[in-house]
Amino acid sequence: DAKTTQPTSMDCAEGRAANLPCNHSTISGNEYVYWYRQIHSQGPQYIIHGLKNNETNEMASLIITEDRKSSTLILPHATLRDTAVYYCIVTAIQGAQKLVFGQGTRLTINP
Amino acid sequence: EAGVTQFPSHSVIEKGQTVTLRCDPISGHDNLYWYRRVMGKEIKFLLHFVKESKQDESGMPNNRFLAERTGGTYSTLKVQPAELEDSGVYFCASSPSGGPPEQYFGPGTRLTVT
Repeated sequence: DAKTTQPTSMDCAEGRAANLPCNHSTISGNEYVYWYRQIHSQGPQYIIHGLKNNETNEMASLIITEDRKSSTLILPHATLRDTAVYYCIVTAIQGAQKLVFGQGTRLTINP
Repeated sequence: EAGVTQFPSHSVIEKGQTVTLRCDPISGHDNLYWYRRVMGKEIKFLLHFVKESKQDESGMPNNRFLAERTGGTYSTLKVQPAELEDSGVYFCASSPSGGPPEQYFGPGTRLTVT
């Protein structure tokens, strides 16, 4: 699986958009970009995934660069409950795959 | 729809004892995964079941860990005998077959070995 690089920590004001970057320069054509988050003491939670097109769901938007070497997770109106560790994970398309977690980005939403 | 459940939520045992963790996946999910996070480390994959078969057990640390999924429903992870370094949080996740599957995680079992 391709390795990802994320900032260790970020801060964002409540109500503003939180933009979390991820570099995955070694991603291959058969790999998706997945985002999960872990709120303190809970299990990881799936947020969104994409292959090459931008994606949006009720939780977030995912912007993937044209060369697919980086992506940005956008939480459009961050709330205090969005404070968590966010993981960017690259994993193959075919079949069910184990997730390889890195250190992630610790996002703190400030009132 | 019920999510992934894990039991117990917290277990404290002494070194050398045996502990069995249980995971009930989302109904109908063929894929079941075990992960764990030991203190200060990243979440690490342990193994993956497809129905009752072990698809990938490359993350199992040693033969003190035994995972089963009889009948392809719930799964158990037994640690025997437990060592101090086994302390951590053990997560179970499940996903359906087919497509690019997002995994749904349980709340985890916090294991403390003293």
